[in-house]
Amino acid sequence: DAGITQSPRHKVTETGTPVTLRCHQTENHRYMYWYRQDPGHGLRLIHYSYGVKDTDKGEVSDGYSVSRSKTEDFLLTLESATSSQTSVYFCAISESLTGPSSYEQYFGPGTRLTVT
Amino acid sequence: SQQGEEDPQALSIQEGENATMNCSYKTSINNLQWYRQNSGRGLVHLILIRSNEREKHSGRLRVTLDTSKKSSSLLITASRAADTASYFCATALGGKLIFGQGTELSVKP
Repeated sequence: DAGITQSPRHKVTETGTPVTLRCHQTENHRYMYWYRQDPGHGLRLIHYSYGVKDTDKGEVSDGYSVSRSKTEDFLLTLESATSSQTSVYFCAISESLTGPSSYEQYFGPGTRLTVT
Repeated sequence: SQQGEEDPQALSIQEGENATMNCSYKTSINNLQWYRQNSGRGLVHLILIRSNEREKHSGRLRVTLDTSKKSSSLLITASRAADTASYFCATALGGKLIFGQGTELSVKP
């Protein structure tokens, strides 16, 4: 497995509370991504980063913010968690957008978040 | 909006049989990738095929790409119980991957 860890692996929280998920990589890859996975929707991109302090929105970014102050860490924050944000969250990394392995992504083990 | 759509959504076969999964997409792409996800785990990259390639092999996997029809197929030959997993296609464009909803493959011993 690529050197990607996610923390926490499981979390139960109440509606309205802030939640931060962490993704840490040891591969020094430039690109980092946050996805959510829900039944019937596959994986959907929330936010991504193309460098330190460089981030952009994905398909389902409402209610989420991200930060990347170091190459190895990408944080996903739910400012005020809602039940619709109950999901499994995956972090992924990618080395390059060009060349023979362009866009190939390596995934972390996931974080199961339940908002009650 | 969903870029890739897999077909079938679920597939059940016996060990030793071949499994074929299809993926259709809507826009032009840089490349198309297939990933596998075992239950409760993250996705694992299987194979990447570039837009100027038509076929690619990796072990028991064969991927084809038809850009005129905007479709791809993944063939797993001589399937094993360990191949039981969900399989996703993903299209690459503009710095991002867009995933389909996946095909759930069950291989019975």
